[in-house]
Amino acid sequence: QITLKESGPTLVKPTQTLTLTCTFSGFSLSTSGVGVGWIRQPPGKALEWLALIYWNDDKRYSPSLKSRLTITKDTSKNQVVLTMTNMDPVDTATYYCAQLHRGSFDPWGQGTLVTVSS
Amino acid sequence: DVVMTQSPLSLPVTLGQPASISCRSSQSLVYSDGNTYLNWFQQRPGQSPRRLIYKVSNRDSGVPDRFSGSGSGTDFTLKISRVEAEDVGVYYCMQGTHWPPFTFGPGTKVDIK
Repeated sequence: QITLKESGPTLVKPTQTLTLTCTFSGFSLSTSGVGVGWIRQPPGKALEWLALIYWNDDKRYSPSLKSRLTITKDTSKNQVVLTMTNMDPVDTATYYCAQLHRGSFDPWGQGTLVTVSS
Repeated sequence: DVVMTQSPLSLPVTLGQPASISCRSSQSLVYSDGNTYLNWFQQRPGQSPRRLIYKVSNRDSGVPDRFSGSGSGTDFTLKISRVEAEDVGVYYCMQGTHWPPFTFGPGTKVDIK
């Protein structure tokens, strides 16, 4: 069974850097073809893809957020970390991680709500 | 970026009746490998998204067969043959052909009349 779980702060201040961790089980990020992505969802709004990392450490980012995002992996810990700099209230959202599977994302973690406020 | 649009944005349905959601992309989603990477996700109230359909018409494991996907090029449809109470939620289409970025539609909210 594949599971993913997001963790990190629930509240960050404007201009701070957000660091989120996705801890997964049931697959390995050292296996060819495997990837893990991050997607966010502001309250009551639609989904927005942020970043993706592959087993071979290839990384892809949303062009609109690329300057603020960094995605890394720790294969030994089964973790993927997303950092987002210069947080703003508009970045308030539930952040999800998900496995890349058959060209899209499945399954997803439970999500973690991050509020940006002073 | 590929823009995904959905209609309707709100869909009140009667239990046991069919329902249909349309998704359109701003450009063809046929990839160079011949596949079309159009996906459908369901998000029940208070839950994470769950993929229902990948590559236009392939149901994920555990997805009831009342859900079906169809379409080609830029026009796609998700159909529910007979709506059940557990189908209430928001449905999103997502393209994975022309990325980055992967892009989602605005979502269609399905509820019971």
